[in-house]
Amino acid sequence: GAVVSQHPSWVICKSGTSVKIECRSLDFQATTMFWYRQFPKQSLMLMATSNEGSKATYEQGVEKDKFLINHASLTLSTLTVTSAHPEDSSFYICSALPGQADYEQYFGPGTRLTVT
Amino acid sequence: GQQLNQSPQSMFIQEGEDVSMNCTSSSIFNTWLWYKQDPGEGPVLLIALYKAGELTSNGRLTAQFGITRKDSFLNISASIPSDVGIYFCAGQGGAQKLVFGQGTRLTINP
Repeated sequence: GAVVSQHPSWVICKSGTSVKIECRSLDFQATTMFWYRQFPKQSLMLMATSNEGSKATYEQGVEKDKFLINHASLTLSTLTVTSAHPEDSSFYICSALPGQADYEQYFGPGTRLTVT
Repeated sequence: GQQLNQSPQSMFIQEGEDVSMNCTSSSIFNTWLWYKQDPGEGPVLLIALYKAGELTSNGRLTAQFGITRKDSFLNISASIPSDVGIYFCAGQGGAQKLVFGQGTRLTINP
């Protein structure tokens, strides 16, 4: 159990376009999901906390108007990278919190975004 | 902001050897976790530590939560090829947020 999926697994888009990444908890409900960004050979950096039915909370330095987060249901959160630029190319990973234990975040497989 | 210092950054060992890596922090965390990440995948939880001084094992893996709540180590005994990957420590603080270390890249020579 406790499986988190992401779609797409990889995407290539042109500079200036927007791309949406989905994060789904497949067999549990998650009131809280997290979005991370990971550049090559670097660690995961938390971008924002996504709460079902309310606005996302963004970490310092993350532009909320550029990285739009929607957590419309207990099993789905989406991250939209608007007006993407090559520097937005990265590995985007989500995690979901079932709520049974504070620490137990389950991570998705990640989405590799390449902006050309 | 909170930061975790993880060392070593990389390790090159022979199959069968033991591995040790550690993390330190300037801040206190309620929970320490150790994850493994394979290339192109999300992290997978290996061990979670809740109490200061706690020593926990998961198969060939052993981890301890430092008594000051500012450090932790992970040991892997008798390494095997599938242990290859990147290991991350993470501290959980307020609002269930995780702060990750820089990672330790483990390479094993057969």
